[in-house]
Amino acid sequence: GAGVSQSPSNKVTEKGKDVELRCDPISGHTALYWYRQSLGQGLEFLIYFQGNSAPDKSGLPSDRFSAERTGGSVSTLTIQRTQQEDSAVYLCASSLALQGALNYGYTFGSGTRLTVV
Amino acid sequence: SQQGEEDPQALSIQEGENATMNCSYKTSINNLQWYRQNSGRGLVHLILIRSNEREKHSGRLRVTLDTSKKSSSLLITASRAADTASYFCATDKKNQKVTFGIGTKLQVIP
Repeated sequence: GAGVSQSPSNKVTEKGKDVELRCDPISGHTALYWYRQSLGQGLEFLIYFQGNSAPDKSGLPSDRFSAERTGGSVSTLTIQRTQQEDSAVYLCASSLALQGALNYGYTFGSGTRLTVV
Repeated sequence: SQQGEEDPQALSIQEGENATMNCSYKTSINNLQWYRQNSGRGLVHLILIRSNEREKHSGRLRVTLDTSKKSSSLLITASRAADTASYFCATDKKNQKVTFGIGTKLQVIP
């Protein structure tokens, strides 16, 4: 597709359940970010993939959070044993390699709104 | 802590007026970007300014960068109701992750 695609767009889950959020970056984009945004707040960095390098996981808030990127393309963010404080919009962004980001910035998906009840 | 911090956190102006938002950061950067976000969903890239640039224009947007003060400003001229959104600055260091500020909520009153 022409943009970054995230699915589902909305997800309501019960506390304690696991959820998987998917991000389909723009084809050819080697850099992929996950961010979390709580209501009315800024973006909280979660994890960053760049090509074949080891991902930067420094933003993951707990070991309940994990992410993978298969084949350098699609990424899945998994939250295990969800808690109410996990409720937020989860945003994915991608760019060409570093030089692309320097020239064009990042393209964001529309996000997944996660509600834990 | 977030690298970029915007101020004011909220700004309300009349349509037709100019809106100025500021962003400060702490460490040296490669470039600084401004994004707009509507309705709490995806962000839209507006403009990127490199560390060796001082000013950049795009339509009604004007961005300045002062690396000595570690600050940037985003000016929206002749604002429109459709400019109502949250605006974020993001800073980028080579081979390091992009970090965002908490944003400025702009309301343009028709």
